[in-house]
Amino acid sequence: QLQLQESGPGLVKPSETPSLTCTVSGGSISDSSLYWGWIRQPPGKGLEWIGNIYYTGSTYYSPSLKSRVAMSVDTSKNQFSLRLSSVTAADTAVYYCARLDCSSVTCRFDCWGQGTLVTVSS
Amino acid sequence: QSALTQPPSASGSPGQSVTISCTGTSSDVGAYDYVSWFQQHPGKAPKLIIYEVTKRPSGVPDRFSGSKSGNTASLTVSGLQAGDEADYSCSSYAGSNNWVFGGGTKLTVL
Repeated sequence: QLQLQESGPGLVKPSETPSLTCTVSGGSISDSSLYWGWIRQPPGKGLEWIGNIYYTGSTYYSPSLKSRVAMSVDTSKNQFSLRLSSVTAADTAVYYCARLDCSSVTCRFDCWGQGTLVTVSS
Repeated sequence: QSALTQPPSASGSPGQSVTISCTGTSSDVGAYDYVSWFQQHPGKAPKLIIYEVTKRPSGVPDRFSGSKSGNTASLTVSGLQAGDEADYSCSSYAGSNNWVFGGGTKLTVL
């Protein structure tokens, strides 16, 4: 049974560059039909797609966040990571990692981590 | 790309049906059948309940159904139950390896 678990700093100061990691268990991050994504949800608001990464390291970022986002993958640890630079209070959100399964004709985010809250405050 | 548009709230009585809309553009919802719906209970992670517009993952009751017309996708919950009270969000592929989500709809079972 696939499980995803986010880990992160919890509280960060404005202008910092926090790093979040998603650990995948119960499956291989190197499956050729899978992508791995980050989605966030500010308190009381909707979901926002941040970006996806493939096990080869190919990345796909939201145009609105592209200038501040960097994703990486470590296949040896079955992990992928997110770095978000120059954070402000507007980046306060629950950050989810998710599996994007493209094994059939279509793709869907079918497995999600429990989420980790990142609060930006001085 | 802009977020998909959903009504902020919807409601229905037990046993009734309720439909939630998700409006995008000809570049996302209207262009691809990669529309998904997620159910999210308070403090929990989103759970996929509909994908490819109309398909249900294993274990999701057939009380949940999806459809699409033009740039608008819809989720219908039939035979409402107390446990259906949750937030529902849609998502769509938007081309060029981009994805977009809706703002979410809070479903209340009266």
